Order: sequence, then C-alpha cells, then structure tokens
Amino acid sequence: AQSVTQPDIHITVSEGASLELRCNYSYGATPYLFWYVQSPGQGLQLLLKYFSGDTLVQGIKGFEAEFKRSQSSFNLRKPSVHWSDAAEYFCAVGARGQNFVFGPGTRLSVLP
Amino acid sequence: DGGITQSPKYLFRKEGQNVTLSCEQNLNHDAMYWYRQDPGQGLRLIYYSQIVNDFQKGDIAEGYSVSREKKESFPLTVTSAQKNPTAFYLCASSIGGGQLSPAYGYTFGSGTRLTVV
Repeated sequence: AQSVTQPDIHITVSEGASLELRCNYSYGATPYLFWYVQSPGQGLQLLLKYFSGDTLVQGIKGFEAEFKRSQSSFNLRKPSVHWSDAAEYFCAVGARGQNFVFGPGTRLSVLP
Repeated sequence: DGGITQSPKYLFRKEGQNVTLSCEQNLNHDAMYWYRQDPGQGLRLIYYSQIVNDFQKGDIAEGYSVSREKKESFPLTVTSAQKNPTAFYLCASSIGGGQLSPAYGYTFGSGTRLTVV
C-alpha cells in the first residue's frame, strides 16, 4: 500500500529565507508525485507534479521539487519565501487504478 | 473557466438533521471524491465515484451518503448518524481511468465548512 509522510508538522521561516519541505513516500513502482498548497478556508491548489523525466520539476509561485528515488523523497523547495507563502502544504502520491494518498500536511508560517 | 463549485461555503446543522453538500464540476472528469478535513489533520476520504451511478466507500464513510446520477454532480449528505460532523469538506475530481490518468492530478473545490449548532 502507498503511504506518504511529511515529517514536519509546522515550520516557521523568515521572509526572504529559503525553504525546504520534506516528503517521503512508500510505493513499489515509480509513483506519480504531487505538491498541493492550501490557504486557510480554501481548497487545495496544485503546485507541481512529477511522474517521469527530469527529476527536478518547476511549479507555480517559484516552487520546485526534486524526486530522489534512492531516498523515496520528493522535497519541495523555494529559494526565497514571501509572506504570501504562509499556508499548509500537502504532498500526495498517485498510482494507476488507485486513489491518491495525501500526507498529513506541513503548516508554514512566515515571519516578517 | 472549468472548475469545481462547492456550495454552500458555510453550513450550519442542528442536532439530528441531515444536510446535503453540493459539488458540481464542468471539467468533464469521470472521477469525483469527497474528503473531510479536521484542524491539524490531513485529508480523509469519505466516498469516491469513478463513473456515473457507481460509488465506493472511503476510509470514513459511516454517517455519510452520496449519489452520482449525473457526471458533473456528486452531492454528499451528512446524516444524523454522523456524530461529529463539524469539519471542512472538500470535493475533488480527476480525469479517471487510462494509463496516464494519475498524471493529471486532482482538482479541488473551495470547500464547505459545516458546523453543528
């Protein structure tokens, strides 16, 4: 069965600092990997996805993520965080014929 | 623009009442999903439907019911049997089926916040 872990429940960074949110997955084959962002009281918005090709993928809002098969990881990064990035971030894994599995989420706070 | 519309945005339920949350999509997606989200918790799957007139229970289906009479609509009823219904409910859809279908991801609505009063 697929599973997704996000080790950090809550992360606080200063505006302008770099950011890395961790995601680890468990799946037998190459999974389809996603990062979503959720602002308070809103739905989830897709930031980026990976399922083949270049292991470094670019997304919206200046985010990127790197797929590392050897570490079963798909960490999300941003070189310089803006106050508007404060939100909850969810990693998800998908597979053919199966429902997505979402991680528990990481809440990001940004200090001015 | 294509998307998913959830209504209402806020809903209040009295004890013992059934309430229905609406979810409509114009993306021509085959699959639709209902998730429940509680503070500090992730998304928990309530029900999902891959095709019209067919749906399956998710991880926390007790106290909920759904129907899928039309491709674009997947309403969720929170029944009086659901003892703790106060939560944020999210509807999602996906293309469904096909070899590359997971690659398109899920599209989410903006949610309905249900509160028991």
